[in-house]
Amino acid sequence: DQQVKQNSPSLSVQEGRISILNCDYTNSMFDYFLWYKKYPAEGPTFLISISSIKDKNEDGRFTVFLNKSAKHLSLHIVPSQPGDSAVYFCAASRGNQFYFGTGTSLTVIP
Amino acid sequence: ETGVTQSPTHLIKTRGQQVTLRCSSQSGHNTVSWYQQALGQGPQFIFQYYREEENGRGNFPPRFSGLQFPNYSSELNVNALELDDSALYLCASSLPSGEKLFFGSGTQLSVL
Repeated sequence: DQQVKQNSPSLSVQEGRISILNCDYTNSMFDYFLWYKKYPAEGPTFLISISSIKDKNEDGRFTVFLNKSAKHLSLHIVPSQPGDSAVYFCAASRGNQFYFGTGTSLTVIP
Repeated sequence: ETGVTQSPTHLIKTRGQQVTLRCSSQSGHNTVSWYQQALGQGPQFIFQYYREEENGRGNFPPRFSGLQFPNYSSELNVNALELDDSALYLCASSLPSGEKLFFGSGTQLSVL
């Protein structure tokens, strides 16, 4: 039972443009949402998070939006850079358990 | 400040064998979680250890077991290996508040 879903396995974006990665979840009890970035042969690295009581959180080029009524989360990267090319995982937590999506592979084309 | 370290990085075993994977948590973190990431999937929660006790478990059979030591390092043991156990095993440490996980680079296990 996949409680966190990322329906786009891959995304290609031109350098300098906006990248939008999407995530849906099914459990309304999740209280924290996170995005992780993963390069090959490395573990996932924390990128940005948002509490369920907020609807937006910004950190530099990265912004996460939370729409609780739609159970939808998105990550905006602007402007996109070639170094942003990686697999991005959406995650949601409830207590001490984190649930991850299957990832979206982002390619930023120079 | 040292990050999360895992050993070994790669391992090949045959079906039916047993394996032990090791993890040292990030400095100051007393909570360790283990995740399994199969090819093309996201990480799946196996279990968490806090103060040397199991503190939550995902949908994995009892042949997946673990330990946490007084220095907060941890082991994941898998008995009677099956072909489907082939995956990347990730260790993550966190503070007790647990709002963020900090991952190691993982151990790639291949079961033949």
